[in-house]
Amino acid sequence: AQSVTQLDSQVPVFEEAPVELRCNYSSSVSVYLFWYVQYPNQGLQLLLKYLSGSTLVKGINGFEAEFNKSQTSFHLRKPSVHISDTAEYFCAVSYTGRRALTFGSGTRLQVQP
Amino acid sequence: DAGVIQSPRHEVTEMGQEVTLRCKPISGHDYLFWYRQTMMRGLELLIYFNNNVPIDDSGMPEDRFSAKMPNASFSTLKIQPSEPRDSAVYFCASSLGLAGGQDEQFFGPGTRLTVL
Repeated sequence: AQSVTQLDSQVPVFEEAPVELRCNYSSSVSVYLFWYVQYPNQGLQLLLKYLSGSTLVKGINGFEAEFNKSQTSFHLRKPSVHISDTAEYFCAVSYTGRRALTFGSGTRLQVQP
Repeated sequence: DAGVIQSPRHEVTEMGQEVTLRCKPISGHDYLFWYRQTMMRGLELLIYFNNNVPIDDSGMPEDRFSAKMPNASFSTLKIQPSEPRDSAVYFCASSLGLAGGQDEQFFGPGTRLTVL
């Protein structure tokens, strides 16, 4: 079975500072990896995804993530955050033959002025 | 496109009542997913459909929950009878189902269910 761990439940950061949100997964098969963002009282929106190929993936809103197979990680980064990035971020996995997503517990990013 | 549409957005009901949540996926999408979000369990899959056929319902909590997809543009999630522990935000999502890769799931705004 696949599982996703997001170790940080909350990450406070000042505006224009860099941020990294951590995600580790466990799986016995090859996985597809996703980061979604959830703004208050809204559904989830895809930030980026890794299916294959280059391990550095660029997404929307200046976010990027790096797939590290040996460390089974898919950490999300942004070099300079804005107040508008305040939201909850979810890492998720799926795999060939099962399109449903398994989500991590989420990380609340709080950007302070 | 209007995106995934869910109704109602909020539902407050009393224990024992029947609750029906509705979802209209994005036109042309072959996959439809129902997820539930709670503080205790996070986001978890309940069931998903491919071309209106249930593929995986292993996440459906118990017999009180049922889901149907009578056609490509409509799905329902029914809880009968409802219990306070069913209080959660229920999300519907849809995807194209492209071959050879995992395509993006588009989420609706969710239905916030409160069972008193």
